[in-house]
Amino acid sequence: TQLLEQSPQFLSIQEGENLTVYCNSSSVFSSLQWYRQEPGEGPVLLVTVVTGGEVKKLKRLTFQFGDARKDSSLHITAAQPGDTGLYLCAGVGNQGGKLIFGQGTELSVKP
Amino acid sequence: DAGVTQSPTHLIKTRGQQVTLRCSPKSGHDTVSWYQQALGQGPQFIFQYYEEEERQRGNFPDRFSGHQFPNYSSELNVNALLLGDSALYLCASSPGGAVTYGYTFGSGTRLTVV
Repeated sequence: TQLLEQSPQFLSIQEGENLTVYCNSSSVFSSLQWYRQEPGEGPVLLVTVVTGGEVKKLKRLTFQFGDARKDSSLHITAAQPGDTGLYLCAGVGNQGGKLIFGQGTELSVKP
Repeated sequence: DAGVTQSPTHLIKTRGQQVTLRCSPKSGHDTVSWYQQALGQGPQFIFQYYEEEERQRGNFPDRFSGHQFPNYSSELNVNALLLGDSALYLCASSPGGAVTYGYTFGSGTRLTVV
């Protein structure tokens, strides 16, 4: 069974601080996706990383896929209150088709 | 361009009852997946439909069943509801099962079983 462990589960920081969210597994994934979910809404795709060692940047967000394609990280620089939400990592399962989600990181950025 | 549409948005059912949730995928998407998200947790895969067939299934009991119609829309049925079935049910669509490029999720149906 493929599992993804995400940490930390909760993060409360002040505006302007930096943070990193980690997503780890003992399994290899063909690709890994990061989503952001706001209350009452479905997850919205932020990025997909496919190649081991790949780094993608989306404004103040930097995503990295581990060399062995078993882990990933999300780094936010100078966090803003608008970054508040639930961040989810999701790996594409080895049987294809389904996404395996981590438990999520609830981020709160206070002004 | 409409995204994924789910109905109803909220639902309250009594234990033992049956429920049907509906999903219309994003235009151009032919693959529909259903996920269950308990409060404070990540979504859990229920099953995926492609070409009106169940292509893959997660670890959910047979009380959970689904259907995909020729227009690619889908239904999720849950029989003999339990209190533990209370959750946000998410529908996600993708083109041709191209999961690599990410899913488009609907806003979900919040099911409460009392």
